[in-house]
Amino acid sequence: AQKITQTQPGMFVQEKEAVTLDCTYDTSDQSYGLFWYKQPSSGEMIFLIYQGSYDEQNATEGRYSLNFQKARKSANLVISASQLGDSAMYFCAMSKPRYSSASKIIFGSGTRLSIRP
Amino acid sequence: GAVVSQHPSRVICKSGTSVKIECRSLDFQATTMFWYRQFPKKSLMLMATSNEGSKATYEQGVEKDKFLINHASLTLSTLTVTSAHPEDSSFYICSAHRLAGSYEQYFGPGTRLTVT
Repeated sequence: AQKITQTQPGMFVQEKEAVTLDCTYDTSDQSYGLFWYKQPSSGEMIFLIYQGSYDEQNATEGRYSLNFQKARKSANLVISASQLGDSAMYFCAMSKPRYSSASKIIFGSGTRLSIRP
Repeated sequence: GAVVSQHPSRVICKSGTSVKIECRSLDFQATTMFWYRQFPKKSLMLMATSNEGSKATYEQGVEKDKFLINHASLTLSTLTVTSAHPEDSSFYICSAHRLAGSYEQYFGPGTRLTVT
């Protein structure tokens, strides 16, 4: 069975600082996809970044980067130069590889990030 | 980008009544849609997988007679909470996969159900 673990229930960060949100996962699959989503208070799920298990390079999307360490089964999200608008709930998630088939997503418990001005 | 809508965004109903929530893919076809439930300050939990033209596949512990799912077309899936009780109050979110070419998954904005 697949499992996602986020050990930081909440984090406070000063504006403009970088922040790392931790995520570890467990799966017996050889091929999988890892996602990070942002959920503001409005409730919508906003896709941030994706990493395929066979991708050799760490994914980057603007201020977001994913520190993928396959051997350690970790997929930490790094947000550079944090902004007040980054305050939200962040979920790490796992699924089959993005372009393979329609598959359910398993979510971690989430980390609530609060940015201090 | 692809858009998924949910209707209603908020609903309040009395205990014992049934409530239908719609999930629509507005600009793409989706053979597969997923329904998630989220309790306050908790994570999203998958309830069921909805496939167009066939019966939904429910996750363990989810009552199929309580949460009726219908995926009648390639752009619409509905979740009906039957004989709702206060413990059914929750945030319900759907997601939809494109039909082909790319299996990107897009989330709807969610529906907040309150049962009084």
